Amino acid sequence: GQNIDQPTEMTATEGAIVQINCTYQTSGFNGLFWYQQHAGEAPTFLSYNVLDGLEEKGRFSSFLSRSKGYSYLLLKELQMKDSASYLCAVSTLSGSARQLTFGSGTQLTVLP
Amino acid sequence: DGGITQSPKYLFRKEGQNVTLSCEQNLNHDAMYWYRQDPGQGLRLIYYSQIVNDFQKGDIAEGYSVSREKKESFPLTVTSAQKNPTAFYLCASSIRLGSSYEQYFGPGTRLTVT
Repeated sequence: GQNIDQPTEMTATEGAIVQINCTYQTSGFNGLFWYQQHAGEAPTFLSYNVLDGLEEKGRFSSFLSRSKGYSYLLLKELQMKDSASYLCAVSTLSGSARQLTFGSGTQLTVLP
Repeated sequence: DGGITQSPKYLFRKEGQNVTLSCEQNLNHDAMYWYRQDPGQGLRLIYYSQIVNDFQKGDIAEGYSVSREKKESFPLTVTSAQKNPTAFYLCASSIRLGSSYEQYFGPGTRLTVT
């Protein structure tokens, strides 16, 4: 099976930088997604990594190390609207099926 | 505007009743998914479908059933056999069933069974 770990909660200050880590143990790794989910709403796509390295997209960056089973999401210049849950999801290949397995999410609170 | 719709947003049912949650997409996506989310937990896959008239069980399919008679629609039935049906249910779709295709999510249906 798959095992995905991320911190339950994090707190940061408006304008700061925060790094949300995700570690995983899985077979048939096919990529890692980060989603943002505001309370009571649907998750929205943030980033996708399949190769090692850093992917930058505006204020958000995501890093992947496949050999270490490790990823992080970096949020810069934090804004109040960034307060949300951040979900790490690993894509795996099992037979002919590709599935996404989600972590429990990291609840980020941005303080003024 | 293209997107995924789920209705209703809130649904209340008595224990022992079957209930069907709707999911419609106009994105022309082949693949569709149903997830369940409980407080403080991640999304768990219930069923997925990669094409019309085909669907596969996910990690927690027991007590649920689905159909995929049309490309646009993937309704989920929560049966009375589901022991703990109260949860937030999310439908998603992607262009195709593949690791690199991001999934687009609907707004969700919060089901409460008493």
